[in-house]
Amino acid sequence: EAEVAQSPRYKITEKSQAVAFWCDPISGHATLYWYRQILGQGPELLVQFQDESVVDDSQLPKDRFSAERLKGVDSTLKIQPAELGDSAMYLCASRSRTGGNTEAFFGQGTRLTVV
Amino acid sequence: QKEVEQDPGPLSVPEGAIVSLNCTYSNSAFQYFMWYRQYSRKGPELLMYTYSSGNKEDGRFTAQVDKSSKYISLFIRDSQPSDSATYLCAMSPPGGGADGLTFGKGTHLIIQP
Repeated sequence: EAEVAQSPRYKITEKSQAVAFWCDPISGHATLYWYRQILGQGPELLVQFQDESVVDDSQLPKDRFSAERLKGVDSTLKIQPAELGDSAMYLCASRSRTGGNTEAFFGQGTRLTVV
Repeated sequence: QKEVEQDPGPLSVPEGAIVSLNCTYSNSAFQYFMWYRQYSRKGPELLMYTYSSGNKEDGRFTAQVDKSSKYISLFIRDSQPSDSATYLCAMSPPGGGADGLTFGKGTHLIIQP
């Protein structure tokens, strides 16, 4: 069964260090999202890609976060420097296309702990 | 006020009971509605996906959307201990651009054996 792959599953990093997360969406899915989920909250959108282009990054803290999807397939989310408040689950989701009338599927997430 | 409101619970019910989970929303642009189940330390798993007002049934799950009231529900019949999880409602506008999902906080459901 096709699924969204994310790695690593868990990451512990020290404050002020750089950290990166990787996502491989379901094959053929043009739309890719990165979400952040703080414990006890619902996921919140960070960035949306359509193929290799950023569609929405209005909620991405651009002073420290960056995201890319160079070939329109897999994607990397980076944080530099990490802060204590960045501790959260980082989720990747994909959808076959933008246009709303398609399901969005999530990966298992990367749980980040900043110490 | 958040765009999507969902009671975080916890909601505790005995095995076999009918469970009702609800969300309200304020953005009339939302057209697509989803329910996800999330087990502890796992990613959200899509349960139900609906468009427009009405009911949709899948096994023990029924999703209901009332756009006029901006209210959506998920019903679980014959609830099982394995249904214990956090249930997230999510919704998105029509596509053609920024159409990321907006989530509720999630309701923590406990099914007591």
